[in-house]
Amino acid sequence: GAVVSQHPSWVICKSGTSVKIECRSLDFQATTMFWYRQFPKQSLMLMATSNEGSKATYEQGVEKDKFLINHASLTLSTLTVTSAHPEDSSFYICSARDPPDETQYFGPGTRLLVL
Amino acid sequence: AQKITQTQPGMFVQEKEAVTLDCTYDTSDQSYGLFWYKQPSSGEMIFLIYQGSYDEQNATEGRYSLNFQKARKSANLVISASQLGDSAMYFCAMRGLMDSNYQLIWGAGTKLIIKP
Repeated sequence: GAVVSQHPSWVICKSGTSVKIECRSLDFQATTMFWYRQFPKQSLMLMATSNEGSKATYEQGVEKDKFLINHASLTLSTLTVTSAHPEDSSFYICSARDPPDETQYFGPGTRLLVL
Repeated sequence: AQKITQTQPGMFVQEKEAVTLDCTYDTSDQSYGLFWYKQPSSGEMIFLIYQGSYDEQNATEGRYSLNFQKARKSANLVISASQLGDSAMYFCAMRGLMDSNYQLIWGAGTKLIIKP
């Protein structure tokens, strides 16, 4: 089946630093990747849709300059949380679509704690 | 607007019993897909099963089956012979198949706990 990796799985950083999270499709080419944020005991909240070779489409209320997304290749998308603050602490999870399959396959997620 | 409703915040089920997790949806699209994902405490989202709106037969994947009732707009997940490892959050999701963004609409989830 389609496998998506995500790195790092855990990150603890100081307030003001930037954190980069990588999402890779390991055995398929993903033209579309998605970045989600999940708060405890809640459902997934879509942050942005990332298409290879083009700018990401951000959901309403998500700061583009805060959450930088780059989808430079068909197997890699990155999310950079710039100047992280404690309120950015959350679980971030990516997914990738394996065309022509309709299914999104998810990475294992990244838990971010900003001190 | 599209919407997914999961009315069961939590469920306790005895091991080896079958369990049904409810999911109803609302959409004006004629062509759509319905998904179920499992999220254990580790956080990963595991794809379980998919049902297309034009599929005449209910989808099945091992112990998972999807009870698709199109007229009622329901897509309940049935887990047969539940196991302790089935304890997790379960999310129902949908997307319009004509949606070029391929975005999923998510339900609030149901926390399933299997009792030994």
